Amino acid sequence: GAVVSQHPSWVICKSGTSVKIECRSLDFQATTMFWYRQFPKQSLMLMATSNEGSKATYEQGVEKDKFLINHASLTLSTLTVTSAHPEDSSFYICSASGDSSTYEQYFGPGTRLTVT
Amino acid sequence: TQLLEQSPQFLSIQEGENLTVYCNSSSVFSSLQWYRQEPGEGPVLLVTVVTGGEVKKLKRLTFQFGDARKDSSLHITAAQPGDTGLYLCAGLKLSGNTPLVFGKGTRLSVIA
Repeated sequence: GAVVSQHPSWVICKSGTSVKIECRSLDFQATTMFWYRQFPKQSLMLMATSNEGSKATYEQGVEKDKFLINHASLTLSTLTVTSAHPEDSSFYICSASGDSSTYEQYFGPGTRLTVT
Repeated sequence: TQLLEQSPQFLSIQEGENLTVYCNSSSVFSSLQWYRQEPGEGPVLLVTVVTGGEVKKLKRLTFQFGDARKDSSLHITAAQPGDTGLYLCAGLKLSGNTPLVFGKGTRLSVIA
């Protein structure tokens, strides 16, 4: 149980284009989903917290107009990187939480974004 | 200021050796989680500790939560090459679906 998927697993796009990444909880309902980015050999940096049906809460320094997050259902959240630039190249990971007793988060496998 | 200090940041040991990774903070956490991440993959939850002083064992891995719920340790006995990876501790500061606070991670390399 507690499986989270991400799609795509990797994507290469040209500078200036937009990329959408999907995060799905496959066998549970996720009241909250989190989006992280991770640079090589570094820890996870939280970008935003997303609750189903409401606006995402962004961490300081994260541009909400550049990283659009939609949490339309209890099993799906999307992150759209708009007008991507090479510095946006990173490993993007989502996590989902639905257990109200432990609030454990389960992570997706990540999406490797490369902007050329 | 890093809320959760993890040490050491890097560790390279021979197969069969024991090791301990520490996760320290000045803040109290309602729970603390340990994850293991391999390159190109998402973190995988190893354990959640909730009670101060709690000790949990997962085969050769022993996790301990400090009495004051401010720190935790991960001890691996007789490390194997398959234990190689990035170990992350993450604390939940408040009850509820709030973001986890992550340490910077410990990169472990076990050499055969």
